[in-house]
Amino acid sequence: EDKVVQSPLSLVVHEGDTVTLNCSYEVTNFRSLLWYKQEKKAPTFLFMLTSSGIEKKSGRLSSILDKKELSSILNITATQTGDSAIYLCAVQMNNNAGNMLTFGGGTRLMVKP
Amino acid sequence: DAGVTQSPTHLIKTRGQQVTLRCSPKSGHDTVSWYQQALGQGPQFIFQYYEEEERQRGNFPDRFSGHQFPNYSSELNVNALLLGDSALYLCASSPGRGGAFFGQGTRLTVV
Repeated sequence: EDKVVQSPLSLVVHEGDTVTLNCSYEVTNFRSLLWYKQEKKAPTFLFMLTSSGIEKKSGRLSSILDKKELSSILNITATQTGDSAIYLCAVQMNNNAGNMLTFGGGTRLMVKP
Repeated sequence: DAGVTQSPTHLIKTRGQQVTLRCSPKSGHDTVSWYQQALGQGPQFIFQYYEEEERQRGNFPDRFSGHQFPNYSSELNVNALLLGDSALYLCASSPGRGGAFFGQGTRLTVV
């Protein structure tokens, strides 16, 4: 059974801290891994990773995929209160049937002023 | 460019009733997927529509059905509602096999 696991479940930090969120997966025919930020309702797309070892970066957020270890990390530097959200990791499999996403349970991040 | 839009935003239904949720994909996207997100959990894949046909289906009962129209918009129908169907229902659209973009969701409460 395909599985995506995120850790930690929740995290409380102070503004300015750096955080690292983890995502590990066990799926057949891996194609890509995606990170989303969910504040109220709509998950907002952050990154899509397909190649191992290549870092994707957007401002204070960055992510990297390790296909050997079947995992990915999402780093947030100099955290701000606006970073408080649930961060979701999802994996897309490589099959001809479609491009469904299998999600992890999410990491709830709270950034205190 | 309007992103993915869903309606309604909130809905309260009684057990046993039927509900229809609607989704308009982002411009240029031809694939629509539906997800159910229970409180405190990650989204669970219900099904995906492409070229007006169900292309892929998750582990949901037949009470969950859908449709895609020629303009790529989509509906999710749930029959014989159960209390456990209370959740946030998310629609995602994508251009073929690209990354999915989500709508704001419909919060369904079954009482």
